[in-house]
Amino acid sequence: KQEVTQIPAALSVPEGENLVLNCSFTDSAIYNLQWFRQDPGKGLTSLLLIQSSQREQTSGRLNASLDKSSGRSTLYIAASQPGDSATYLCAVRAQGGSEKLVFGKGTKLTVNP
Amino acid sequence: GAGVSQSPRYKVAKRGQDVALRCDPISGHVSLFWYQQALGQGPEFLTYFQNEAQLDKSGLPSDRFFAERPEGSVSTLKIQRTQQEDSAVYLCASSLGILVRNQPQHFGDGTRLSIL
Repeated sequence: KQEVTQIPAALSVPEGENLVLNCSFTDSAIYNLQWFRQDPGKGLTSLLLIQSSQREQTSGRLNASLDKSSGRSTLYIAASQPGDSATYLCAVRAQGGSEKLVFGKGTKLTVNP
Repeated sequence: GAGVSQSPRYKVAKRGQDVALRCDPISGHVSLFWYQQALGQGPEFLTYFQNEAQLDKSGLPSDRFFAERPEGSVSTLKIQRTQQEDSAVYLCASSLGILVRNQPQHFGDGTRLSIL
């Protein structure tokens, strides 16, 4: 059974810092990996999707890497801003028929002005 | 709007009552998903549809939970004889699914269900 772990559970940083969020998964037979952002009381917003054949994806100040063989992904946020404060969730989709996602518990990020 | 729409946003019910939660996916999206999110946890998969076919319902916690998508668009998640442990946020997501590979799932804002 696939399990996804995110470390740390919470992170508080001053504005302007570069930071890294970690995600690990137990079964390397994945189809893709997605990073999401969730604001309080809201649904999830997709940030980046990395296909199993890819090593990284970039969008603006965000960069996600994937090391499938070791079961790890990192989300790098450059020059953090208070508006980046949210919970960041990592999710994997397994190879095979089902499109379901398996999520980690998330990292709650607070960026202080 | 063009996003996934869920209703109601909030639902309070007494233990033992039946509830129905609605999801309107993005137009043209083939795949539709239901997830349950407990406080402080990540979403957990319940079930998903490809058009009107329910392809995976392995995450439904009991036979009190039932989902349908009769015409391949709007979906309803029904919970019968609700219990306090059913209290959670229920998230719906949709995607292009088999139409286009490696497409992200797009989520609604969820229905927050509280069972008294």
